[in-house]
Amino acid sequence: GQQLNQSPQSMFIQEGEDVSMNCTSSSIFNTWLWYKQEPGEGPVLLIALYKAGELTSNGRLTAQFGITRKDSFLNISASIPSDVGIYFCAGNRNAGNNRKLIWGLGTSLAVNP
Amino acid sequence: DADVTQTPRNRITKTGKRIMLECSQTKGHDRMYWYRQDPGLGLRLIYYSFDVKDINKGEISDGYSVSRQAQAKFSLSLESAIPNQTALYFCATSDSGGESNQPQHFGDGTRLSIL
Repeated sequence: GQQLNQSPQSMFIQEGEDVSMNCTSSSIFNTWLWYKQEPGEGPVLLIALYKAGELTSNGRLTAQFGITRKDSFLNISASIPSDVGIYFCAGNRNAGNNRKLIWGLGTSLAVNP
Repeated sequence: DADVTQTPRNRITKTGKRIMLECSQTKGHDRMYWYRQDPGLGLRLIYYSFDVKDINKGEISDGYSVSRQAQAKFSLSLESAIPNQTALYFCATSDSGGESNQPQHFGDGTRLSIL
């Protein structure tokens, strides 16, 4: 099935550094979602984006819905050890109907204290 | 999400056995989903249901069946388990309200190993 192109696949950073990851698609999306998954747990929603150009923050996390509607990025500022996990992007192409939620393969983040 | 409960959390079984994974939710959501997660392959949709009388196949439904017994319960069955169904399975729910696509909320997963 179709998947989003999520990059980078993995990141190893020092505590305090900023992080940036993104997702791209050849198709236009109406919704972008960013999730975080920690070991032994299910993905947890971080940020939901619904409008092209929308920029939304959740604490040290900021995500943007690309103006072309074909991409989105997630930034984490001043990383801390508890930011460790796998970050997934997901998108939906059908307004009002999220049966076609399409997922990226994830960005694995490791933070050295 | 503590409002989406999956049982069991872990299961080891043998090839050919019938297995049922249960999911219940207290979020009051109409929509429920079953995914499997494999290393390097991300989350893949098995089945989804938009209400009690609605069942839809996802991208990898072969070898699986589901039952939506009530709004709050959605079970996944493997009629005759095979080793390549070894994976981490997630149940998710979402609300149907509003014009915007509602995010999905996940349980903590069931780790299934088939020997």
